[in-house]
Amino acid sequence: ETGVTQTPRHLVMGMTNKKSLKCEQHLGHNAMYWYKQSAKKPLELMFVYSLEERVENNSVPSRFSPECPNSSHLFLHLHTLQPEDSALYLCASSQDLPGQWTNYGYTFGSGTRLTVV
Amino acid sequence: KNEVEQSPQNLTAQEGEFITINCSYSVGISALHWLQQHPGGGIVSLFMLSSGKKKHGRLIATINIQEKHSSLHITASHPRDSAVYICAVFNFGNEKLTFGTGTRLTIIP
Repeated sequence: ETGVTQTPRHLVMGMTNKKSLKCEQHLGHNAMYWYKQSAKKPLELMFVYSLEERVENNSVPSRFSPECPNSSHLFLHLHTLQPEDSALYLCASSQDLPGQWTNYGYTFGSGTRLTVV
Repeated sequence: KNEVEQSPQNLTAQEGEFITINCSYSVGISALHWLQQHPGGGIVSLFMLSSGKKKHGRLIATINIQEKHSSLHITASHPRDSAVYICAVFNFGNEKLTFGTGTRLTIIP
């Protein structure tokens, strides 16, 4: 356990379903991130929250909707996904705020393996 | 062309061999991370460095800022080292973390 917990670990959903991914950290970190990892591709940054405020949205389709109700929790709400959205979704947190040179690095969760059928 | 390139993409070695994984980048950076991703998907941060060399157990990471190159070495490799090793750089220009595609390492007993 790294300090960042993601649930569920695996998720299979139909294209018409609505589901949510959850990420939780109790490390006292200030920033939280959603990344997408597709096969044979680098991790892609999707969303960044700093002090519970969204600071970045990397042109992610609106069928992905993030929510950060407090500094310890981050959600990714999913609806009407496409099969190409099947991937590993990783949550990460960092103590430093985005844009600051970091001395502390990032802590990643174990990811949610999403399959869209 | 990716801003972060890793080589090799795949590496298979016998237990006990000395392993080297390379990372080259094309942008100005503040820091470089080496990450380890196990088959289950979880990612662990191994090193973060901005100059010189760091060592942790059997793992050694070096960086040459002038040449924009970093290496990750594993001494006395073991099957439990089998994982994907990912290089990521904190881009000084756009203040973003950019990842390489990873090197899949398999250590055979």
